[in-house]
Amino acid sequence: GAVVSQHPSWVICKSGTSVKIECRSLDFQATTMFWYRQFPKQSLMLMATSNEGSKATYEQGVEKDKFLINHASLTLSTLTVTSAHPEDSSFYICSARDSGGKSYEQYFGPGTRLTVT
Amino acid sequence: AQSVTQLDSQVPVFEEAPVELRCNYSSSVSVYLFWYVQYPNQGLQLLLKYLSGSTLVESINGFEAEFNKSQTSFHLRKPSVHISDTAEYFCAVTPVSGTYKYIFGTGTRLKVLA
Repeated sequence: GAVVSQHPSWVICKSGTSVKIECRSLDFQATTMFWYRQFPKQSLMLMATSNEGSKATYEQGVEKDKFLINHASLTLSTLTVTSAHPEDSSFYICSARDSGGKSYEQYFGPGTRLTVT
Repeated sequence: AQSVTQLDSQVPVFEEAPVELRCNYSSSVSVYLFWYVQYPNQGLQLLLKYLSGSTLVESINGFEAEFNKSQTSFHLRKPSVHISDTAEYFCAVTPVSGTYKYIFGTGTRLKVLA
């Protein structure tokens, strides 16, 4: 149980275009999901907390107009990178908190590698 | 606020040798502690966690970690490593009550040599 999927697993896009990444909790409901960014050989940096039915909470320094987050249902959160640039190339990982589970538990998706050319 | 420090960015070790990956944290509130493993181009997999109780926690694949409150440490150990243990290891904490946010260390790349 407690599986989180991400789609796509990798994507290449041209500079200036937008890319949408999906994060789904497959066998549990998640009122809260988290989006992380990981640069090569570096740690995960929390970008934002996604709350079902309300606006996402962004970490300091993260442009909310560039990284649009929508959490429209209890099993799906999406991250849209708008007007992508090469510096947005990174590994994006989501995690989900089981609404019916223990407060501390997060389950991580397999990640999405974004390359902007 | 919380912070996590993993002093060793890379740890090379020969197969069947013991290894210790260090993790220290700083927090003004009580935290839960975790170790995650990441294989190349994959997401994070939970290795083990400390919530409360016995300070020594074990995973199913031979890793163990010991919570030391006085030294604010949660070092990861394995008595005999395998080639397949080669991966990136992240230490993380989250407040016992509050934001549910995880704070990760910078990671330690374990490379097991034949």
